[in-house]
Amino acid sequence: AQSVTQPDIHITVSEGASLELRCNYSYGATPYLFWYVQSPGQGLQLLLKYFSGDTLVQGIKGFEAEFKRSQSSFNLRKPSVHWSDAAEYFCAVGAHSGTYKYIFGTGTRLKVLA
Amino acid sequence: EAGVAQSPRYKIIEKRQSVAFWCNPISGHATLYWYQQILGQGPKLLIQFQNNGVVDDSQLPKDRFSAERLKGVDSTLKIQPAKLEDSAVYLCASSLKTGIDTGELFFGEGSRLTVL
Repeated sequence: AQSVTQPDIHITVSEGASLELRCNYSYGATPYLFWYVQSPGQGLQLLLKYFSGDTLVQGIKGFEAEFKRSQSSFNLRKPSVHWSDAAEYFCAVGAHSGTYKYIFGTGTRLKVLA
Repeated sequence: EAGVAQSPRYKIIEKRQSVAFWCNPISGHATLYWYQQILGQGPKLLIQFQNNGVVDDSQLPKDRFSAERLKGVDSTLKIQPAKLEDSAVYLCASSLKTGIDTGELFFGEGSRLTVL
């Protein structure tokens, strides 16, 4: 069965520091992978997506993610975090099982220290 | 472009009562999703519509939950009777097509339900 694991429930970083959020997936075929961000009281917003091609993908707000097939990972990175990046981040895999569906991880809550 | 609209934003009810949530997707989006997001968890798909037909409702607790999208535009999700464990945020999302390669779900701000 398809699944997504985000091992870190909470992460705290200082403003200006670099960030890496981990995501591991389980899926038998080539996955479609996504990162979404959710600010408090808001819906989810797409940061970036990977379908095929270049394994390093760029997204909005200065985020990037790298697909590593050998590690079944799709980690999200940002070289310098801003206070406004404090939010919850969800990794998702797009899977086809009769119909297409998105399977979300449990999320990583990011706290940014001034 | 208007986003996905949901109402109400907040609802508090007692167990065994009923509640309904409304969603209006982005204009022209054929696919509409209802997700349940329990505190500390990721969104879980309840039901997916393609136009006014159900594509996937395998995780919808059909003994108490129902959803409809009669004219292929807006949708209503109903819970009757509510249980304590139904306390969650109910997210509506839409996309242009049902295929995964459309790339993006557009989410509403959600409806937060508290069942006492």
